[in-house]
Amino acid sequence: KNQVEQSPQSLIILEGKNCTLQCNYTVSPFSNLRWYKQDTGRGPVSLTIMTFSENTKSNGRYTATLDADTKQSSLHITASQLSDSASYICVVSAWQAGTALIFGKGTTLSVSS
Amino acid sequence: NAGVTQTPKFQVLKTGQSMTLQCAQDMNHNSMYWYRQDPGMGLRLIYYSASEGTTDKGEVPNGYNVSRLNKREFSLRLESAAPSQTSVYFCASTPAIAGGNQPQHFGDGTRLSIL
Repeated sequence: KNQVEQSPQSLIILEGKNCTLQCNYTVSPFSNLRWYKQDTGRGPVSLTIMTFSENTKSNGRYTATLDADTKQSSLHITASQLSDSASYICVVSAWQAGTALIFGKGTTLSVSS
Repeated sequence: NAGVTQTPKFQVLKTGQSMTLQCAQDMNHNSMYWYRQDPGMGLRLIYYSASEGTTDKGEVPNGYNVSRLNKREFSLRLESAAPSQTSVYFCASTPAIAGGNQPQHFGDGTRLSIL
């Protein structure tokens, strides 16, 4: 069964600190892996999309890594800001007809001052 | 840029009532999607439209119907609302059917409560 598991479920960090969110997946055949940020009361917004051949992709202070062999991805946030408080969702796309996006449940990050 | 616009933003219904959730995108995207988001669960696909004139069932289609009115608009209808359909509903769009390396653009959701 195609699944995406994220950890931790929630995280609290101090402003200015770094953090890493984890995503493990069992999706086959793999197409790409996406990270989305969802602010409270808003829709998800794309941060990065990585294909099988990409190991790292950055978007400002966000850096995503992908290890397709171990089926693991991480999202590293550098020098966190209060505005980083949100839910971060890992999504894996499988090569199938139609839509084949498998969503994780998300990690809720709270950045405090 | 408006992107994906959903209306209404909030709605309270009684069991058995019907309503239509509206979604419109101004990015000239071909593919559109309806998801529901429930606490402790990932987004689940209800229906999608790969292109104008086509619609297909997703993971949780029971109790819903959709209409791809034109390239811009994709509506979701609850014919007889049930408390289990209390959720946040998101509409999304992509240039082509998701599975390629294109991000989905989401609206800000419709928060629906069914009493």
